[in-house]
Amino acid sequence: EAGVAQSPRYKIIEKRQSVAFWCNPISGHATLYWYQQILGQGPKLLIQFQNNGVVDDSQLPKDRFSAERLKGVDSTLKIQPAKLEDSAVYLCASSLRDRGLLVGTQYFGPGTRLLVL
Amino acid sequence: ELKVEQNPLFLSMQEGKNYTIYCNYSTTSDRLYWYRQDPGKSLESLFVLLSNGAVKQEGRLMASLDTKARLSTLHITAAVHDLSATYFCAVGSRLTFGEGTQLTVNP
Repeated sequence: EAGVAQSPRYKIIEKRQSVAFWCNPISGHATLYWYQQILGQGPKLLIQFQNNGVVDDSQLPKDRFSAERLKGVDSTLKIQPAKLEDSAVYLCASSLRDRGLLVGTQYFGPGTRLLVL
Repeated sequence: ELKVEQNPLFLSMQEGKNYTIYCNYSTTSDRLYWYRQDPGKSLESLFVLLSNGAVKQEGRLMASLDTKARLSTLHITAAVHDLSATYFCAVGSRLTFGEGTQLTVNP
């Protein structure tokens, strides 16, 4: 079974530039998550999708971050414009379902390392 | 706001020894996860704990959950070098993560 795919793996940009990350979840996984992991910290959830609908985006800085999941499969996360403090690893994860207690394991992708100069 | 605290944050131990990592959380939750992360790598799911008193074991690792105390433990038995990594607990449907425990197992 193929895992969660992410691209690019690394990205270096200057502040105020724009950047986009792509994620392809495990086939059949309805739930998709984007996390931000700053060096030395645990991941922080940015946004959660159930199919192509947003379930939770309360921690997404909406003035500069946006995400979409068209057709309920692939997803993109965009930052526009980037700030120095956005330097982090952006992790995508997917799971089969997330309804009450019937939640399964989350499978994480390899992440995209972003450096903003 | 849910807060998740792990301790210790850094743990250096000798091979063959036992130790426990603690994960405390501030508000009631129905689920808790443990993950492992190797340097420069992504997260690997270790355990999913969904009920009070749940205990799961895999190899030298055993995780337990006490929802009344809002506490989970990850117990390491007879540590080996391959267990060196950072271990995270995460709580709730939003998966609020702790700061992580960086474990180093020395020969």
